[in-house]
Amino acid sequence: DAKTTQPNSMESNEEEPVHLPCNHSTISGTDYIHWYRQLPSQGPEYVIHGLTSNVNNRMASLAIAEDRKSSTLILHRATLRDAAVYYCILYGGSQGNLIFGKGTKLSVKP
Amino acid sequence: GAGVSQSPRYKVAKRGQDVALRCDPISGHVSLFWYQQALGQGPEFLTYFQNEAQLDKSGLPSDRFFAERPEGSVSTLKIQRTQQEDSAVYLCASSQRQGLDNSPLHFGNGTRLTVT
Repeated sequence: DAKTTQPNSMESNEEEPVHLPCNHSTISGTDYIHWYRQLPSQGPEYVIHGLTSNVNNRMASLAIAEDRKSSTLILHRATLRDAAVYYCILYGGSQGNLIFGKGTKLSVKP
Repeated sequence: GAGVSQSPRYKVAKRGQDVALRCDPISGHVSLFWYQQALGQGPEFLTYFQNEAQLDKSGLPSDRFFAERPEGSVSTLKIQRTQQEDSAVYLCASSQRQGLDNSPLHFGNGTRLTVT
């Protein structure tokens, strides 16, 4: 299975942008890049996903490198509620499930 | 709208007891997944269903773990003769379609199992 590498932790200030990096140098051409986040004492929640082009939704933006070996999740204005563990996951259509790593724990300071 | 519901929210079991954890997925969702999450770790895959068919159970840690989804909706994860290492949060997730390419997983808030 293609693997991802994320920093263990990051800090941000409230109302500032946050860029969460993810490396996936062994990504295959059919792998989608998914991001989920997990708030304390809750199950993970879907954030965004993409294949080749950058993606935007109400929660975040996903910037995908041209060679697809890395991607960045962008939170435009961090709030205290964004403090969570963020998981970057590769999903290929042939596999049934999502494989989670340890993710990046994001702390947001007021 | 209603999300994925799991019950009980917390379960304490004495070592050796059997437990049953219930998952009510979002209505109409085809795929259902069970994950196990130890403290400080990411969720680890246990098993998944497409409708009532269990397509992958490769993540179940031992034959003490059993999952079913007999009518393609509600699912139960059963753990027999619980051991202390079974203590974890058990997460259930459902997805509208078979593949996850463009069909995200919706997770419940999990059942926290503590084996004493």
